[in-house]
Amino acid sequence: GPKVLQIPSHQIIDMGQMVTLNCDPVSNHLYFYWYKQILGQQMEFLVNFYNGKVMEKSKLFKDQFSVERPDGSYFTLKIQPTALEDSAVYFCASSPDWGGYEQYFGPGTRLTVL
Amino acid sequence: GDSVIQMQGQVTLSENDFLFINCTYSTTGYPTLFWYVQYSGEGPQLLLQVTTANNKGSSRGFEATYDKGTTSFHLQKTSVQEIDSAVYYCAMRELNTGNYKYVFGAGTRLKVIA
Repeated sequence: GPKVLQIPSHQIIDMGQMVTLNCDPVSNHLYFYWYKQILGQQMEFLVNFYNGKVMEKSKLFKDQFSVERPDGSYFTLKIQPTALEDSAVYFCASSPDWGGYEQYFGPGTRLTVL
Repeated sequence: GDSVIQMQGQVTLSENDFLFINCTYSTTGYPTLFWYVQYSGEGPQLLLQVTTANNKGSSRGFEATYDKGTTSFHLQKTSVQEIDSAVYYCAMRELNTGNYKYVFGAGTRLKVIA
C-alpha cells in the first residue's frame, strides 16, 4: 500500500539546538499532519497543513515549532530551539482529502533532546 | 470538546480468547469512526472505519459497530492470535468549523500470549 517515509528514524540533539524532521508523504496526497507521542503515552495531534498553510494546530504546537513543504518536497517539522520536553516520537501522516479518507502514517522519528 | 475515551490501558489474553476493547466518543456532530493498529516500531495503520451510524465495520476478523445511541465504537474479535499483539487506537474525524479534525483515544495495548 501507499507509504509515508520519515527521515531520520532517530535524532539525538542538545537542548537549545534546532532540529528538522522530514516527512515524504504519499505522492498524490494533499493534506499533511504531525503527531507527537511521548514514550508510554497516547499519540497527540500537533498540526495539519494544506495548500501551503497551517489549517489547525493544537496547544502542543508551540511558537518554537514550524512546518512547511517547499515546492512539493519533504513536509518538515522544525523545532527551534529544542527543549527537553520535546523528546518524543513524531509521526507524520498524509491523506488525499478531508472527506472520509484515512490517514497514512509514517514509522515515526524518535527525537531525543539531551 | 470532542474526545475519544479508551478506558483500558492494557489487555492481556491467551490465544483464541475473545477480544473486547472499549471505546466511547463525544462530539456534537456526525463523525466518521476509525480503529487504527500500531505494531511495535511502526506508525499506526488503519484497521477499519465506519462512516454511518448503526453500521458495522470489519477487517481481518475484527469488527466494530458505530452505535450512536450509546456513542460507542467497541472493537471485538472472536479469537485473537499472538500476531494481534499491538496498540489499538480508536479515533474519530469530525467536521469542526469548516475543518476536518482527527481525535485519537489514548490507545489500548493488547498482549496475546501463545
